[in-house]
Amino acid sequence: SQQGEEDPQALSIQEGENATMNCSYKTSINNLQWYRQNSGRGLVHLILIRSNEREKHSGRLRVTLDTSKKSSSLLITASRAADTASYFCATDARLSNNNDMRFGAGTRLTVKP
Amino acid sequence: GAGVSQSPRYKVAKRGQDVALRCDPISGHVSLFWYQQALGQGPEFLTYFQNEAQLDKSGLPSDRFFAERPEGSVSTLKIQRTQQEDSAVYLCASSNRQGTEAFFGQGTRLTVV
Repeated sequence: SQQGEEDPQALSIQEGENATMNCSYKTSINNLQWYRQNSGRGLVHLILIRSNEREKHSGRLRVTLDTSKKSSSLLITASRAADTASYFCATDARLSNNNDMRFGAGTRLTVKP
Repeated sequence: GAGVSQSPRYKVAKRGQDVALRCDPISGHVSLFWYQQALGQGPEFLTYFQNEAQLDKSGLPSDRFFAERPEGSVSTLKIQRTQQEDSAVYLCASSNRQGTEAFFGQGTRLTVV
């Protein structure tokens, strides 16, 4: 079963705009990761945020984590056409001793040039 | 190798046929995951290995699915008596320790006809 849920399911923006995607999850976690997937390809890791962190930056990416609300957001600033992809959050549950990452259904982002 | 390698990239099987999907993780990576991804959906967790030990197989959809990693490196996902609903992309990922980023292979696209 999937742990996280992303919203929106699909997002379409113009190049240069910011894109915000949200992820909600159900159980307490050790960390939360965001991945990107281009059509027909494998997933690529973007950023990892630990449960004791509230915000993290990497280039044009900004991730926030609110453990009280069990939610995270991924912000992509100054979007480019090449950012068009599906974005997934993945969590590993704190109650589990195993490192079994669970993914949400993803947000399909389209950036129009 | 430089990354996670999966073979074959594409597999067409007749209903009822057995298939074996191979995953070569990054050398030295302890953790190995298998996921099933249907078109337009997020990766669904199947099973997780830590070295040769299969610590979680709760995501395997039926007893027709079997995974092994006998020497703690290469892993094989076997599906017996394939059904049409098994058609999906099967993704393998590895990571070097708990709670770190996972590296994904390109996946094997299985089509059952």
